[in-house]
Amino acid sequence: ETGVTQTPRHLVMGMTNKKSLKCEQHLGHNAMYWYKQSAKKPLELMFVYNFKEQTENNSVPSRFSPECPNSSHLFLHLHTLQPEDSALYLCASSRASSGTDTQYFGPGTRLTVL
Amino acid sequence: GQQLNQSPQSMFIQEGEDVSMNCTSSSIFNTWLWYKQEPGEGPVLLIALYKAGELTSNGRLTAQFGITRKDSFLNISASIPSDVGIYFCAGHDAGGTSYGKLTFGQGTILTVHP
Repeated sequence: ETGVTQTPRHLVMGMTNKKSLKCEQHLGHNAMYWYKQSAKKPLELMFVYNFKEQTENNSVPSRFSPECPNSSHLFLHLHTLQPEDSALYLCASSRASSGTDTQYFGPGTRLTVL
Repeated sequence: GQQLNQSPQSMFIQEGEDVSMNCTSSSIFNTWLWYKQEPGEGPVLLIALYKAGELTSNGRLTAQFGITRKDSFLNISASIPSDVGIYFCAGHDAGGTSYGKLTFGQGTILTVHP
């Protein structure tokens, strides 16, 4: 238990569906992150939020839409995804998004797009 | 973007053997982190290193922040079956356009035979 929870743990969706991934951190952190982990590839940073403000969008397609209503919650809204978007989506948090703060990860959501 | 070269990609060892893996970077890092990921879970932090030359232990695990700030290694002594998993190095870039970003290695897949 790292203090970062993600729901759902598994999600299967069609290309026309709309779904959302949820992340919650109980560590009192101010920065939250979305990563994509595909087979045989390093973790890819998608979005960074620092004190609820988006500070990084790593050239992510618009079919992924993040939302951070407060420092403890982070959402990733999904719509019209492609099969190549199937991956493990990991949420992480840290005290802030500075140069040295350690990131703690949730268990991930395994997404399959049919 | 910035990449870390992590080696070896995979290791097959007997229970009781020692394990060593390392990461190198083309640029200077402010921190080095080592994570372990088990199937169906997110990466779990094992050791965090914040100063060049720092040597830190966590039980049977020992990691060092290279003196050049461009490399780090992780050693596991007397391996046991539950050490199985994927080990990732990660680091915070010290400068340039990648300042503060956490970059991950490709991972080392460890298999321990009883």
